[in-house]
Order: sequence, then structure tokens, then C-alpha cells
Amino acid sequence: AQKVTQAQTEISVVEKEDVTLDCVYETRDTTYYLFWYKQPPSGELVFLIRRNSFDEQNEISGRYSWNFQKSTSSFNFTITASQVVDSAVYFCALSEGGTNAGKSTFGDGTTLTVKP
Amino acid sequence: DGGITQSPKYLFRKEGQNVTLSCEQNLNHDAMYWYRQDPGQGLRLIYYSQIVNDFQKGDIAEGYSVSREKKESFPLTVTSAQKNPTAFYLCASRGRGDYSNQPQHFGDGTRLSIL
Repeated sequence: AQKVTQAQTEISVVEKEDVTLDCVYETRDTTYYLFWYKQPPSGELVFLIRRNSFDEQNEISGRYSWNFQKSTSSFNFTITASQVVDSAVYFCALSEGGTNAGKSTFGDGTTLTVKP
Repeated sequence: DGGITQSPKYLFRKEGQNVTLSCEQNLNHDAMYWYRQDPGQGLRLIYYSQIVNDFQKGDIAEGYSVSREKKESFPLTVTSAQKNPTAFYLCASRGRGDYSNQPQHFGDGTRLSIL
């Protein structure tokens, strides 16, 4: 069975601070896919990034960066110079290939509050 | 613009009543999903469908039913058997072929409460 753990329930930072959101996953598959989504107060989840299990290249996109490490089963997300608009709930999700191709498992989410 | 439309935004259910949540997508996606979100918790899968006229139970299907008569539509019925239906319900869809590597697209959600 697959599992996603986001140990940080809530994080509060002051604007312009850097913040890292942790995600640890469990799966028996060798091929799988990891995602980060953002849920603003409006409620709709917005896709941020995807990583394949065979691609450990880390990525930077503007103020966002992602650190994928298979050795520790972690897929962490960092926001540099945080802004008030970054306040949201962030979800990490895992999709497996094969017969479970239709399903994803989500973590419980991390609520990020950025104060001015 | 292509996307997912959920309606209504807010819904109230009386005791013993069945209610149906609507989900329509114009993204030409094959797979559609229903999730339930409770305060402070993640998304839990209720039902999903990978093709028209076929669907599978998710992790918390009891008290819910779905249909997939058209590719664009995946309505969810919350039956009277669901004793604690108060939650935020999200519908999602995902593309074609092997869905595993594709992100899900989400609707704005329906907030269901008990009267």
C-alpha cells in the first residue's frame, strides 16, 4: 500500500522568509510519480509540479524549488522569499503505475501562513 | 476555457435525504475522481472512473454512489446511509492513456452540510 506523510500540520512564517515543506512517501513500486498541489482559501487544488521516480533531478522555478531524494523517500518543496499570497494548504501526492494507475494517495496537507 | 465545473457550491441535506453533486468536465479526460476533504485532513478517495460506464470504489465508498453515463459527467450521490456527510467534496479529472504521470485537474468543490 502507498502512503504519503506530511509531518508538518501548520507552518507560520513572516514574509520574505524561506520555508520548506516536507513530504515522505512509501511505495513498493519502482515506477511512481510524485506531485505537489496548492489549495488556496477558494478551495480548488492547483497543480504545482510532478516528478517521476526515475528522474531525481531537482528543479527551481522562480521562488519555488523541489528536492527529490529516492534514498530517503522524500520530495520536499521550498519557497524562497515567501509572500502573503503563498498562504495556502499544500498537498503532496503519490501515483503508482501498473494496475493502480487510476489512483493517487494524498498527504494530509501542510497549512502555510505567511504574515506580512 | 476548459475545466471542471462542480455544482452547487453549497448544499444542505435533510435527514434521510439523498442529494446529488454534479461534476462536468470539458477537458476530454478519460478518468474522473471524487474526493472528500474534512477539516485539517487530506483528500480521501470516494469513487473513480477510468472509462464510461465503469467505476471503482475508493477508500471510503460506503454511503455514496456514482454513475458515468457520459465521458464529461460524473455525478456523486450522497445517500441517507452516509451518516456523517458534512464535508468539502472535490471532483477531479485526469487525461488519457496511462494516468499515473498526469496531474489531476480539480473543480472548485461543493460544501455539503446537514440541516
